[in-house]
Amino acid sequence: QKEVEQNSGPLSVPEGAIASLNCTYSDRGSQSFFWYRQYSGKSPELIMFIYSNGDKEDGRFTAQLNKASQYVSLLIRDSQPSDSATYLCAVNMNVNTGGFKTIFGAGTRLFVKA
Amino acid sequence: DGGITQSPKYLFRKEGQNVTLSCEQNLNHDAMYWYRQDPGQGLRLIYYSQIVNDFQKGDIAEGYSVSREKKESFPLTVTSAQKNPTAFYLCASSRNQAGEGETQYFGPGTRLLVL
Repeated sequence: QKEVEQNSGPLSVPEGAIASLNCTYSDRGSQSFFWYRQYSGKSPELIMFIYSNGDKEDGRFTAQLNKASQYVSLLIRDSQPSDSATYLCAVNMNVNTGGFKTIFGAGTRLFVKA
Repeated sequence: DGGITQSPKYLFRKEGQNVTLSCEQNLNHDAMYWYRQDPGQGLRLIYYSQIVNDFQKGDIAEGYSVSREKKESFPLTVTSAQKNPTAFYLCASSRNQAGEGETQYFGPGTRLLVL
């Protein structure tokens, strides 16, 4: 069973702090990794994607990928109350019939306290 | 503006009734998807389509049906056989099927409630 695991939270951080969200995945051959943000009652919106080991920065967001350890993380610097949302990790995994399938984690709820 | 639209925003179903959720995209994407999201749970794939006139079952296809007669449109019908349809339904599209680097973009969702 292909899996993507996230801590459900809630993760609570004070305003201005760094929020660290983690995700592990089961398929060692996975190549593409995505972070989505989902506000309550809304649809997921893409924050960023990462394909290569290491860090990728986009504004206050940094995605970190470690394929050897099969985890991907998202760091949010200078957290704001508007960052309070559920963060979904998604991984494109190989399927037996060929091709890929996107598997979503259940998400981590983040709460940024003002 | 390019994007994905879903309608209606809220939908109420009576017992034994079939209902259809609309999904339209003008992104010129080949692949389209339907997901179901229940409270506190991740997204579960219902159906997906790589090209017009072709679609495949996802992980929870029972009680649902789809069609893909046009590239832009991928409607989902929730049939009376789906005994627990109350959920948030999300339509997504990507340039191609989930290959390396293929990113899925989501519509605003339809919330289905059973009367």
